[in-house]
Amino acid sequence: GAVVSQHPSWVICKSGTSVKIECRSLDFQATTMFWYRQFPKQSLMLMATSNEGSKATYEQGVEKDKFLINHASLTLSTLTVTSAHPEDSSFYICSARSPGPQPQHFGDGTRLSIL
Amino acid sequence: SQKIEQNSEALNIQEGKTATLTCNYTNYSPAYLQWYRQDPGRGPVFLLLIRENEKEKRKERLKVTFDTTLKQSLFHITASQPADSATYLCALEESGGYQKVTFGTGTKLQVIP
Repeated sequence: GAVVSQHPSWVICKSGTSVKIECRSLDFQATTMFWYRQFPKQSLMLMATSNEGSKATYEQGVEKDKFLINHASLTLSTLTVTSAHPEDSSFYICSARSPGPQPQHFGDGTRLSIL
Repeated sequence: SQKIEQNSEALNIQEGKTATLTCNYTNYSPAYLQWYRQDPGRGPVFLLLIRENEKEKRKERLKVTFDTTLKQSLFHITASQPADSATYLCALEESGGYQKVTFGTGTKLQVIP
């Protein structure tokens, strides 16, 4: 149980393009979803926390107009990187959790490369 | 400032031995501490969660201890196998209901046959 599907697994696109990444909890209801960014050989950096039906809470230094997060249902959250540039290239990972002292369940990440 | 530190960038250990990984934190009051495993190019996989009022938790070959006085957690893998080779991340969730989890930098474990 507790499977999180993240799609697409990799994206290569031109500078200026907007890219949408989907995160789905397949077999449980995720009241909270998290979006992380990870650089090579570094740990996960939390970008934002989203609760179903409300606006996402962004970490300091993360531009909310650049990284649009939508958590419209208990099983789906999306991250849209708007007008992506080469510096946005990274490994983006989502996670989902149920209420209470529960662990996070992670997707397999999206490798984003902006040319 | 708040910090989560995990021991050494890489840990090499002989197959069959016990691997011990360390997670130290400063300026946190964690309600829970979690350990995850991450393989290259994949998302982390949850292993164990321990609460602030628990001293030890076990799951098969895995054992986690949590010392809130020392501000440290130890993660043990007994009878280590080459398949245990991965990066192991500790993560803290503070009390207060905000649900933010902060991850350590990770320790890369290599089990040598």
